[in-house]
Amino acid sequence: AQSVTQPDIHITVSEGASLELRCNYSYGATPYLFWYVQSPGQGLQLLLKYFSGDTLVQGIKGFEAEFKRSQSSFNLRKPSVHWSDAAEYFCAVVPILTGGGNKLTFGTGTQLKVEL
Amino acid sequence: DVKVTQSSRYLVKRTGEKVFLECVQDMDHENMFWYRQDPGLGLRLIYFSYDVKMKEKGDIPEGYSVSREKKERFSLILESASTNQTSMYLCASTVQGATFSYEQYFGPGTRLTVT
Repeated sequence: AQSVTQPDIHITVSEGASLELRCNYSYGATPYLFWYVQSPGQGLQLLLKYFSGDTLVQGIKGFEAEFKRSQSSFNLRKPSVHWSDAAEYFCAVVPILTGGGNKLTFGTGTQLKVEL
Repeated sequence: DVKVTQSSRYLVKRTGEKVFLECVQDMDHENMFWYRQDPGLGLRLIYFSYDVKMKEKGDIPEGYSVSREKKERFSLILESASTNQTSMYLCASTVQGATFSYEQYFGPGTRLTVT
């Protein structure tokens, strides 16, 4: 079945450490790819997106993501995590399907905890 | 900045009640969406609207209906609330175009509890 997977439900990192959040998708063609962040008590905010072109995408708040077609992955990274990055992170995809019905589909989320 | 507001942050209703969740956006966006968010399930699309009085079913429309009488306002209606509709409800909006390819702007959510 077509899907988007975030294999890590919870991740804990120390402040200042590097971060990588995983996202894999299973669609026939490369979908549009997004990362959103949800801070406590807030709605979701777009961090970055990939449609085509350069496979390393820069986003807001110092985040970046790399698209790897061979691995069907779009992992989110940050070289040095700040305590304010503690939040839930969602990978989302829009599959490129013929015939329409191309909705935004979210992964189940990864809860990031930052230890001081 | 785009602002999407939702009428309540927290709501407690009884089983069988009719529930209205309101969403307003101030950026003249054509497209509006309702999602529900549950732990371990992520966000799931309930309904969306690409124009006034237009609506499309999402992935989980059962037990819900929507209304869009004005461009800036999109309402989610639970005709007869049930306990399995206890959830966080998120509204979002985006510009016209390839509907799902643009950044969606989200409201802060309404946490609905049905007892």
